[in-house]
Amino acid sequence: SYVLTQPPSVSVAPGETAMITCGGNNIGSISVQWYQQKPGQAPVLVIYYDSDRPSGIPERFSGSKSGNTATLTISRVEAGDEADYYCQVWDGISDHPVFGTGTEVTVL
Amino acid sequence: QVQLQESGPGLVKPSQTLSLTCTVSGDSISSSNYYWTWIRQPAGGGLEYIGRVHTSGTTNYNPSLNSRVTISADTSKNQFSLKLRSVTAADTAVYYCARGWRYCSGGSCYTPYFDYWGPGILVTVSS
Repeated sequence: SYVLTQPPSVSVAPGETAMITCGGNNIGSISVQWYQQKPGQAPVLVIYYDSDRPSGIPERFSGSKSGNTATLTISRVEAGDEADYYCQVWDGISDHPVFGTGTEVTVL
Repeated sequence: QVQLQESGPGLVKPSQTLSLTCTVSGDSISSSNYYWTWIRQPAGGGLEYIGRVHTSGTTNYNPSLNSRVTISADTSKNQFSLKLRSVTAADTAVYYCARGWRYCSGGSCYTPYFDYWGPGILVTVSS
């Protein structure tokens, strides 16, 4: 089945920019979503259709794609951004959604 | 404000059936625009799709669980349910219900993303 690969962890200082990557075969041709999950809470959609933000999500969160990699960028990182982040696509071959392995973002 | 809430036993014995219900408020599960979905997450692990149901009655399951899963909808109660048979310790996880946007193109439909989630319920499989 389709595999999405993320780095296990990313560390960033407050005020700096965090970039979380998500690699997958031919990911450039399918839409990518990103979810934020804080400890003990359900995931929250922060980016859909590669780069769209749901209502209420700060502009500091942005999404992009290049080649076989999608990237979630968090600008001006705050302590409250510390969480696990998951990318997600729909796998048309298996006909079900696939989630990435997850990236833990630590704010130093 | 759309809200989802999972309910059901927090402890299930091995080989028995795990049964959970998701109650939806602020939206109708009879809407044709969405798929009502179950997703689980083992402790310290990632997210795993279990399956979905549409108001039309159509379902879609993760092939890895297909033979053990049934998801159904009760529009009169605005609820949908999950049954997972013959559980083992590997089924211990937090179970989430979620609303999935329904997108159709070229005669097929799927869920590109999940915009509302329940808080999750921990189900432990143990004797």
